[in-house]
Amino acid sequence: GQSLEQPSEVTAVEGAIVQINCTYQTSGFYGLSWYQQHDGGAPTFLSYNALDGLEETGRFSSFLSRSDSYGYLLLQELQMKDSASYFCAVSHSGGYQKVTFGTGTKLQVIP
Amino acid sequence: NAGVTQTPKFRVLKTGQSMTLLCAQDMNHEYMYWYRQDPGMGLRLIHYSVGEGTTAKGEVPDGYNVSRLKKQNFLLGLESAAPSQTSVYFCASSYTSISGQGRYEQYFGPGTRLTVT
Repeated sequence: GQSLEQPSEVTAVEGAIVQINCTYQTSGFYGLSWYQQHDGGAPTFLSYNALDGLEETGRFSSFLSRSDSYGYLLLQELQMKDSASYFCAVSHSGGYQKVTFGTGTKLQVIP
Repeated sequence: NAGVTQTPKFRVLKTGQSMTLLCAQDMNHEYMYWYRQDPGMGLRLIHYSVGEGTTAKGEVPDGYNVSRLKKQNFLLGLESAAPSQTSVYFCASSYTSISGQGRYEQYFGPGTRLTVT
């Protein structure tokens, strides 16, 4: 089966940098995704890493180490609107585009 | 381009009642999914479809049925609702890619909040 671990809550100050870690165990690993979900809203896709290294998209970056089964999401220049839950998700083999989500990290940005 | 839409947005059912949740997408995606989200548990896959006329069970399929008669629609049915099915239900879709490639990006609908009393 698949399992993912990420912290349940993180608090950070506006303007600072925060890193949300994700470790996973899965067979037939394809890649690691990150989704953002505001309270009462739908998850929205942020990034995807299939290869080792850092992917940057504006203030957000995502990192993957396949050998360590580990990845992280880095948020820079935090803004109040970044307060949300962040989910890592592994894509893995299974006959279709199978994705298993972690339980999410609730990020609170404080002034 | 509306993306993924879900009907209804809210619903309250009594135990034993039935209902159907409708998901529609206008992006011509092959794959569609139904998830449920409970506090502290992330998103769990109920059923999925890899194309028109095909469906398969996900992680938590018991108590639910699905149908995909048209490519753009994916229906989730509860035949006899139970309080344990109180949850937020999300539909998602994604495009086809060669197995092992692609971004595996899923597009989510706004969700349906279901309460079973």
